[in-house]
Amino acid sequence: GEDVEQSLFLSVREGDSSVINCTYTDSSSTYLYWYKQEPGAGLQLLTYIFSNMDMKQDQRLTVLLNKKDKHLSLRIADTQTGDSAIYFCAESMKYSGGGADGLTFGKGTHLIIQP
Amino acid sequence: DSGVTQTPKHLITATGQRVTLRCSPRSGDLSVYWYQQSLDQGLQFLIQYYNGEERAKGNILERFSAQQFPDLHSELNLSSLELGDSALYFCASSAGAGAVSDTQYFGPGTRLTVL
Repeated sequence: GEDVEQSLFLSVREGDSSVINCTYTDSSSTYLYWYKQEPGAGLQLLTYIFSNMDMKQDQRLTVLLNKKDKHLSLRIADTQTGDSAIYFCAESMKYSGGGADGLTFGKGTHLIIQP
Repeated sequence: DSGVTQTPKHLITATGQRVTLRCSPRSGDLSVYWYQQSLDQGLQFLIQYYNGEERAKGNILERFSAQQFPDLHSELNLSSLELGDSALYFCASSAGAGAVSDTQYFGPGTRLTVL
């Protein structure tokens, strides 16, 4: 299977933590990525994790990986208005052509910040 | 700023026409990837080039083609355009040939509108 699933919307209050969830289906060793897309802008790489890791922390961002359930989450601590964006979960996948990889993306989660 | 540049930023054309989108990878990166982002399909991998050669194909239509030049910039050619080709086209680059660990950095995108 090659689907990456995410919920479409998440609404949080400013200052609270945001937790964006993602499920993936590939069972082989892979890298999993979180990208951020602000309105009218391109994709900004936030962080990534290898599938043999459980957790990765980078300042306000914490990535948790549950390999058994193929579940990935991105926690943003102390959510600010500038965090308002679409967050994409992506998985490295192998395509035809001999070992090279494109990324398979989820549909993206719109993070809405309430004042 | 990811270091990946794309031109033009916006493109408006008519059905049946042909357009060329251009991408310059980050300095030192050898791989270029093309993605299409549309409302109904989300973000989809189209094709990858590594050091001038096609490396992997994703969901690219036969009406679309790409190439990577000796200076490593890439062009995506879209022909016999249809209304459904209206989308945001992203280019990404990575340092290596596209292993699972090869992080991709995205450009700002070209928004194509077909009327």
